[in-house]
Amino acid sequence: QQPVQSPQAVILREGEDAVINCSSSKALYSVHWYRQKHGEAPVFLMILLKGGEQKGHEKISASFNEKKQQSSLYLTASQLSYSGTYFCGTWAGATNKLIFGTGTLLAVQP
Amino acid sequence: SQTIHQWPATLVQPVGSPLSLECTVEGTSNPNLYWYRQAAGRGLQLLFYSVGIGQISSEVPQNLSASRPQDRQFILSSKKLLLSDSGFYLCAWTGGYGYTFGSGTRLTVV
Repeated sequence: QQPVQSPQAVILREGEDAVINCSSSKALYSVHWYRQKHGEAPVFLMILLKGGEQKGHEKISASFNEKKQQSSLYLTASQLSYSGTYFCGTWAGATNKLIFGTGTLLAVQP
Repeated sequence: SQTIHQWPATLVQPVGSPLSLECTVEGTSNPNLYWYRQAAGRGLQLLFYSVGIGQISSEVPQNLSASRPQDRQFILSSKKLLLSDSGFYLCAWTGGYGYTFGSGTRLTVV
């Protein structure tokens, strides 16, 4: 039931790109993306509401394939500030609850 | 603007002691409210959510309970803490878009 994210962890150099995937076994109405810095609360990045929709936030964008029940987060030209754990959250209809994925630890090095 | 307050920030409690964590939201009415728990190095586990006063949905059967005595107040409680209750407790609210989290309570049961 919990969405599965891949990879579990990724290490980048500044300026490199990364893709984080989120896959659900259930039909999805929307997908959220959050970033959590160590010791802090998660921070909302974006929400995707329609199949195939892409949204952007700074140099971070995401896509949502409703049919495949998958979403991907794209980080381009990564910065040190992008380091943290990224979680997708899936909303499966009128359940009023967001179920978070397994998480992806991203470390950006100078 | 909306703000969410959660306290205390840190708590060390002995096994078998009671627990009460409080969360309040300002600047909005009738928010959906949530309690999540995060074990060290792990993902976000949904514990309880509420769509209105007195309405509580439990996701994980355990020795924790939640109450919503007022529209913008959400309380997490336990009569007797277990070692396994240690973790980072996060309150969150949503008005229909992204989730906004409180700063969290780091609970250590000793």
